[in-house]
Amino acid sequence: AQRVTQPEKLLSVFKGAPVELKCNYSYSGSPELFWYVQYSRQRLQLLLRHISRESIKGFTADLNKGETSFHLKKPFAQEEDSAMYYCALSGSSNTGKLIFGQGTTLQVKP
Amino acid sequence: ETGVTQTPRHLVMGMTNKKSLKCEQHLGHNAMYWYKQSAKKPLELMFVYNFKEQTENNSVPSRFSPECPNSSHLFLHLHTLQPEDSALYLCASSHSGTGPKKLFFGSGTQLSVL
Repeated sequence: AQRVTQPEKLLSVFKGAPVELKCNYSYSGSPELFWYVQYSRQRLQLLLRHISRESIKGFTADLNKGETSFHLKKPFAQEEDSAMYYCALSGSSNTGKLIFGQGTTLQVKP
Repeated sequence: ETGVTQTPRHLVMGMTNKKSLKCEQHLGHNAMYWYKQSAKKPLELMFVYNFKEQTENNSVPSRFSPECPNSSHLFLHLHTLQPEDSALYLCASSHSGTGPKKLFFGSGTQLSVL
């Protein structure tokens, strides 16, 4: 079964501290992984996807197939990073089906 | 307005009412989606439409009836809902075709069923 697990509901750090938002997945095929973010009073939007191997707003995420993980990292958190973060998985079908994790609220304190 | 627009933003309905949620996208996409976001649960995919054809129904109860008259518009018709159907309903759109999709989401309709 396809499943995405984000074990932390809330992650609270101080400004300037490193951040790691955990995501583990379960999928038998070759997955595509994404991180979506929802800032306060804004709509859900794509942050980054693993195939692009990009860094967005200082965030990176590496797909680790051995550990079935796709953790989101940033070396120095900023207050504007405070938001709800969702990890999502897309399987090999073409329907565009995305399976989301439960989300982690990141709170960056001054 | 560009992007994905959902109306109404808030909806309160009784269990015997019939109402519809509307979604409109101006991004030139050919795939549209309905997601349900309940408290303490992950976003749940409900329906997927590609080129106006339904390609995914995630075992959604028949009291939810989607309609996609064209690639730009998506509706969710509601009738005889239950209080547990209260949730945020999100519409999204993307390009169709192979490969991973970047979904663009609307702001959602917050539904309360009394």
